[in-house]
Amino acid sequence: AQTVTQSQPEMSVQEAETVTLSCTYDTSENNYYLFWYKQPPSRQMILVIRQEAYKQQNATENRFSVNFQKAAKSFSLKISDSQLGDTAMYFCAFMEVGDMRFGAGTRLTVKP
Amino acid sequence: NAGVTQTPKFRILKIGQSMTLQCTQDMNHNYMYWYRQDPGMGLKLIYYSVGAGITDKGEVPNGYNVSRSTTEDFPLRLELAAPSQTSVYFCASTAGNTIYFGEGSWLTVV
Repeated sequence: AQTVTQSQPEMSVQEAETVTLSCTYDTSENNYYLFWYKQPPSRQMILVIRQEAYKQQNATENRFSVNFQKAAKSFSLKISDSQLGDTAMYFCAFMEVGDMRFGAGTRLTVKP
Repeated sequence: NAGVTQTPKFRILKIGQSMTLQCTQDMNHNYMYWYRQDPGMGLKLIYYSVGAGITDKGEVPNGYNVSRSTTEDFPLRLELAAPSQTSVYFCASTAGNTIYFGEGSWLTVV
């Protein structure tokens, strides 16, 4: 079974600064998807960014970007110009057809 | 544009009772999932389905059952509820490249 590891249970960053959240995964598959989801206190799951494994180019969505290292099985999320509204739990997720697994999450606090 | 709809949103059960969490999606997705999220933890896969009539166990299936008689519906059945099943339950669906989540069902077993 695929496993997803987020080694940083908690992180904090000053408003307007940049922070990077780490994620590693384990799989024997070659085609898969990777995601970062944001979960605010409401518990709603909000898609932040998605990466297809067959694409070498790192995905970018406004202030959010990833560093996808397929050989190293690493998928980190960089948040630039952090905002107070970015405070939330962030989950890394791996999806291969028929199965999707999540990391344990990183609690990010953006300080004013 | 309903997406993934879960009911109920909140429920309190007594130990030993049974109940069904309903999940419906209107996007014609083949893949559907049930997850549970315990306080301060990530999501654990309970069951998933790759199409009508096909279901399979995830990481934590004990104490639960599912069925998939139609593409739209994927109900989760809790038999003989236990305090360890107190959690937030999420239903999700996908066509293959993006997961869509319901808003969650908060279940407390007392």
